[in-house]
Amino acid sequence: AQKVTQAQTEISVVEKEDVTLDCVYETRDTTYYLFWYKQPPSGELVFLIRRNSFDEQNEISGRYSWNFQKSTSSFNFTITASQVVDSAVYFCALSEDVPGRQGAQKLVFGQGTRLTINP
Amino acid sequence: GAVVSQHPSWVICKSGTSVKIECRSLDFQATTMFWYRQFPKQSLMLMATSNEGSKATYEQGVEKDKFLINHASLTLSTLTVTSAHPEDSSFYICSATGLAGDTQYFGPGTRLTVL
Repeated sequence: AQKVTQAQTEISVVEKEDVTLDCVYETRDTTYYLFWYKQPPSGELVFLIRRNSFDEQNEISGRYSWNFQKSTSSFNFTITASQVVDSAVYFCALSEDVPGRQGAQKLVFGQGTRLTINP
Repeated sequence: GAVVSQHPSWVICKSGTSVKIECRSLDFQATTMFWYRQFPKQSLMLMATSNEGSKATYEQGVEKDKFLINHASLTLSTLTVTSAHPEDSSFYICSATGLAGDTQYFGPGTRLTVL
């Protein structure tokens, strides 16, 4: 079965520090998607990135960057020069086909990492 | 684009009553909608997957007679928690995908408190 592990339950850093959130996954699928979502205190999940299993290029978006290593089944997320507004719970997720529903994919979420950025 | 709304954002009800939560895709047609439940300080757990006009697929351990899902149109899915009890108190979140099906967009969630 699909599984996503976010070993870091909580991380606390001081503003402007860089921080990396780890994500390790298990899957038997050859094609899959990996995601990162941010959940601020308001509760609404904010989509950050989707990565196709065939695309191992790292991606950078402003202060955010993602490192996808298929060889180690990891999809780590780094925030550089962290800010207080980055404080949230971050979830890594893996797609999984829905049995009996062609084309539909559900998400398997990791346990989440609670990130606190202190001023 | 890709906005998903939920209504209500919070609800408090008495034990034994039924509660309906609506999930709407505002600017796209959602071929598939998903319902999740999230307990405090825990991850999201998928409850069921639904497509317009067909029966929902429930995850193992989720009672389909207790959590009724109706996907009436390509922009609306409803979750009804029947005969709610305090242990059903949780944060319920829906998500939707378009034709491509490769990214789920989430609603803001509904916080249910059963007294």
